Amino acid sequence: SQQGEEDPQALSIQEGENATMNCSYKTSINNLQWYRQNSGRGLVHLILIRSNEREKHSGRLRVTLDTSKKSSSLLITASRAADTASYFCATEGLNTDKLIFGTGTRLQVFP
Amino acid sequence: KAGVTQTPRYLIKTRGQQVTLSCSPISGHRSVSWYQQTPGQGLQFLFEYFSETQRNKGNFPGRFSGRQFSNSRSEMNVSTLELGDSALYLCASSLDWLAGGYEQYFGPGTRLTVT
Repeated sequence: SQQGEEDPQALSIQEGENATMNCSYKTSINNLQWYRQNSGRGLVHLILIRSNEREKHSGRLRVTLDTSKKSSSLLITASRAADTASYFCATEGLNTDKLIFGTGTRLQVFP
Repeated sequence: KAGVTQTPRYLIKTRGQQVTLSCSPISGHRSVSWYQQTPGQGLQFLFEYFSETQRNKGNFPGRFSGRQFSNSRSEMNVSTLELGDSALYLCASSLDWLAGGYEQYFGPGTRLTVT
């Protein structure tokens, strides 16, 4: 079973626009991570935010975490066609490397 | 530093057969986890190994097993294959989580098709 739900399931935008994806989870976590997957390939780690952090930036990526609401969001600014991929949030519980993945958001960026 | 490698990349097997998939983690990474990805169930955790010991196991039947060797390389085995085992099997490695949470680095996956 999956820990998290992601919203929206799919998102289509034009290059240059911002893309926001949301993730909700169910149990206490050590950290929350976002991954990108291109067309059935391996996952690429994007960013990790720890449970005691509220916001983190990496390049065009901005992640927020609200542990009281058990939710996180990923913002990709000034999107590019190369950002087209599926994006997954994953939560890591306490004292484990086990990742529980969300359902994913399919992002399509049109040139 | 070389990434996580998985072999083979593609595999076609027949129902009832067994299969062994291999994963070589990033040098220095001692934790290896396995995930199954299917269109219907998404990404699901299979098991996690650290220092040759299984530390966590997901909700999969006993037909799914794994092991880790002293050099941290890992294998997973699926016996008595079923059609529903067709999936992308992903391996991920990370540093020792006892020192804190670390991101996991994923291999390209093994695409298993059961006919």
